[in-house]
Amino acid sequence: QQPVQSPQAVILREGEDAVINCSSSKALYSVHWYRQKHGEAPVFLMILLKGGEQKGHEKISASFNEKKQQSSLYLTASQLSYSGTYFCGTEEGQGGSEKLVFGKGTKLTVNP
Amino acid sequence: DTGVSQNPRHKITKRGQNVTFRCDPISEHNRLYWYRQTLGQGPEFLTYFQNEAQLEKSRLLSDRFSAERPKGSFSTLEIQRTEQGDSAMYLCASSFSDRKNYGYTFGSGTRLTVV
Repeated sequence: QQPVQSPQAVILREGEDAVINCSSSKALYSVHWYRQKHGEAPVFLMILLKGGEQKGHEKISASFNEKKQQSSLYLTASQLSYSGTYFCGTEEGQGGSEKLVFGKGTKLTVNP
Repeated sequence: DTGVSQNPRHKITKRGQNVTFRCDPISEHNRLYWYRQTLGQGPEFLTYFQNEAQLEKSRLLSDRFSAERPKGSFSTLEIQRTEQGDSAMYLCASSFSDRKNYGYTFGSGTRLTVV
């Protein structure tokens, strides 16, 4: 079952913040976040495991609510380089499924 | 370490022809995945290997698709009797089997166009 991402697209000015959400109807073992720029391969950002831990990566952080099967990606003080499409990938099942199911993506545009 | 390499980058083929793609993963990674991505969509799982063993194949994948990973190194994905609906970007990714700490490293993909 494909996770649902929201919003589908967001446009920011440099320095503004954004939140991207990922929701699944299934119990999740982990959530991955990737960023893909046009014509390029998806690039791994971070992984969150069940247990509700929050992770940070410079000005990009994420949380995982295991009970709600939801993860959120937080981008603060956005930079032009943050533009791209963000995908969450979920590994389903209590013990994991050994593969990721990706959402349809959220297109982020950061303007000067 | 040169990352995950995929060849060719682009392939245009006539409907009904067979095509084969190659993926060279990061040498230290023991897992290799094939995904397919169409415009405006996220990557869709096709199959994955742990070393040379193919452990799972998507139920959505027809028998026209086959993948191999001889000796646990590079992998090939073959599509027989291609159809227009096969047109997509085919992505290969590799990772360590430690799923708690490592994500996937994707290649740049092979774009297939079936005419």
